Amino acid sequence: SQQGEEDPQALSIQEGENATMNCSYKTSINNLQWYRQNSGRGLVHLILIRSNEREKHSGRLRVTLDTSKKSSSLLITASRAADTASYFCATDEGGGADGLTFGKGTHLIIQP
Amino acid sequence: DAGITQSPRHKVTETGTPVTLRCHQTENHRYMYWYRQDPGHGLRLIHYSYGVKDTDKGEVSDGYSVSRSKTEDFLLTLESATSSQTSVYFCAISESRVSNTEAFFGQGTRLTVV
Repeated sequence: SQQGEEDPQALSIQEGENATMNCSYKTSINNLQWYRQNSGRGLVHLILIRSNEREKHSGRLRVTLDTSKKSSSLLITASRAADTASYFCATDEGGGADGLTFGKGTHLIIQP
Repeated sequence: DAGITQSPRHKVTETGTPVTLRCHQTENHRYMYWYRQDPGHGLRLIHYSYGVKDTDKGEVSDGYSVSRSKTEDFLLTLESATSSQTSVYFCAISESRVSNTEAFFGQGTRLTVV
């Protein structure tokens, strides 16, 4: 079953603009993670936010987590062409079987 | 990239044949995972391992088996490949449970079952 569901499925913006992606999940979590996947490549970890955190920053990335709404957002500021990729949120199942549960991803295109 | 190598990177096989995919890591991480990625489904967990000879099933384990005889190697076997197993397979590793830490992914194996 899909734990995280990203929104929108696809997003196209101009270089320099900010990109915001959202993720919703269904059950309790210990952490939520965001990953990036460039075409034909493996996933790369971007950021991990724990359930007791509300916001986290890493470079041009800002992640928020609202456990009451079971949702998270990923903001990429000052986008670059190299940010073109698919972005996935992933959650753990909070104490049950190990492994991350991924959403279907948001495909981000940065127009030059 | 973290020290994860998947082999082969591409494979075409016939329905009904056995196939083994290999994941090799040089990070000495305890946890290893096999995922498949399909359009419209994202990544789904097949099996995972939490130590040598310690494995467990994931969400889509039917038709797959795994083995881990050494810390560095995690093998995924399709006993009798079917067309529904055509997919891109990713191996991932983590130092501890992913409820605590990030996972590192290999480059993937594209498997086509004809």
